[in-house]
Amino acid sequence: GAGVSQSPSNKVTEKGKDVELRCDPISGHTALYWYRQSLGQGLEFLIYFQGNSAPDKSGLPSDRFSAERTGGSVSTLTIQRTQQEDSAVYLCASSLQGSAGELFFGEGSRLTVL
Amino acid sequence: DQQVKQNSPSLSVQEGRISILNCDYTNSMFDYFLWYKKYPAEGPTFLISISSIKDKNEDGRFTVFLNKSAKHLSLHIVPSQPGDSAVYFCAASRSGTYKYIFGTGTRLKVLA
Repeated sequence: GAGVSQSPSNKVTEKGKDVELRCDPISGHTALYWYRQSLGQGLEFLIYFQGNSAPDKSGLPSDRFSAERTGGSVSTLTIQRTQQEDSAVYLCASSLQGSAGELFFGEGSRLTVL
Repeated sequence: DQQVKQNSPSLSVQEGRISILNCDYTNSMFDYFLWYKKYPAEGPTFLISISSIKDKNEDGRFTVFLNKSAKHLSLHIVPSQPGDSAVYFCAASRSGTYKYIFGTGTRLKVLA
């Protein structure tokens, strides 16, 4: 499809396990964002990739969280040793340039940590 | 520190009436603002934006008003339709930067 694609759409895991969430941005979009929405909360910025520049990781809540973007396209968000407070919807967005432009969001990956 | 605030978590409006969703921000450096709409189990979709050089932007039934001195913006939907029922997020950024700060959202319910 032409939109931002995320997988899995739902993930249930046990506390302490690692999870990987994948994002396929819109073709040609150089900017890629990860946000998360916890229950009753707004969209919390996690990380930003722009082209080949070093990513802005300032929103990652702990060193258990990491993300990479391979070949300037697909991105993977990894959460190690998951905790119950990691339960949230993880949203990926891409945009053409990353500044003063519209963000296009995927449908999100709902993570539940038991 | 919540830089973008939507103080009303929910709002109910009769079909055909005006819906007014409010958003306040604290960072005076923000100069670009967006509204997103989110249906359950879907990602947010862009609705309308406004730059700080304007105080109003209109697109069909949707109008965004910006009051820079009050650091306040609002989204007006006229007339409201049942299909407008969704969660609405406002977001702010500084032009030339890429970080969008989102509010906590307002759930709008339009009653038929």
